[in-house]
Amino acid sequence: AQSVTQLGSHVSVSEGALVLLRCNYSSSVPPYLFWYVQYPNQGLQLLLKYTTGATLVKGINGFEAEFKKSETSFHLTKPSAHMSDAAEYFCAVIPTGALGAGNKLTFGGGTRVLVKP
Amino acid sequence: DVKVTQSSRYLVKRTGEKVFLECVQDMDHENMFWYRQDPGLGLRLIYFSYDVKMKEKGDIPEGYSVSREKKERFSLILESASTNQTSMYLCASSFRGASNQPQHFGDGTRLSIL
Repeated sequence: AQSVTQLGSHVSVSEGALVLLRCNYSSSVPPYLFWYVQYPNQGLQLLLKYTTGATLVKGINGFEAEFKKSETSFHLTKPSAHMSDAAEYFCAVIPTGALGAGNKLTFGGGTRVLVKP
Repeated sequence: DVKVTQSSRYLVKRTGEKVFLECVQDMDHENMFWYRQDPGLGLRLIYFSYDVKMKEKGDIPEGYSVSREKKERFSLILESASTNQTSMYLCASSFRGASNQPQHFGDGTRLSIL
């Protein structure tokens, strides 16, 4: 079965510092890859996704992620953290062979980001 | 913008009660999902539906059922609530087309079973 691993359940960064959140998936066939963000007391919001094409994907709020097939990774970065980036971040995948019926996401355990002033 | 609306943000119920969580989406999405979210476990799929009156079990369906009588509405039912069902419940929807379609989420219902 597909699995998604996010290294580090909590990450603390200083305002203005690089944000790096790690995500690795387990399948031999690269899946479709997603990053979601959850602000306190809210649902999940799509940050970015990789399906095909360019392996460096840009998303909202200055985030980007790079798909590396050889490393089965899809790490999320932001060059300069802002206080408003404090949230929980989830990596998720859908197998590329999945039919449209269902589109079931498999989520990682999440990484909570704390931004220090 | 896609809007997924969950009927309650916070809900407190007692053990043994039958509990209904409602979700409505306004984007004509075929797929709808119910997840529960627990610290350290991420999101786990309870049930999903890819069409009216259709449902499939997710990873943790025990103790839950669902109903989808209209395309825009997907209900999660706790037949006899138990304390281990205290959790955050998230509803999502997506287009049925290709599997690269993202899911859109509601704001969640924080359910406490006493």
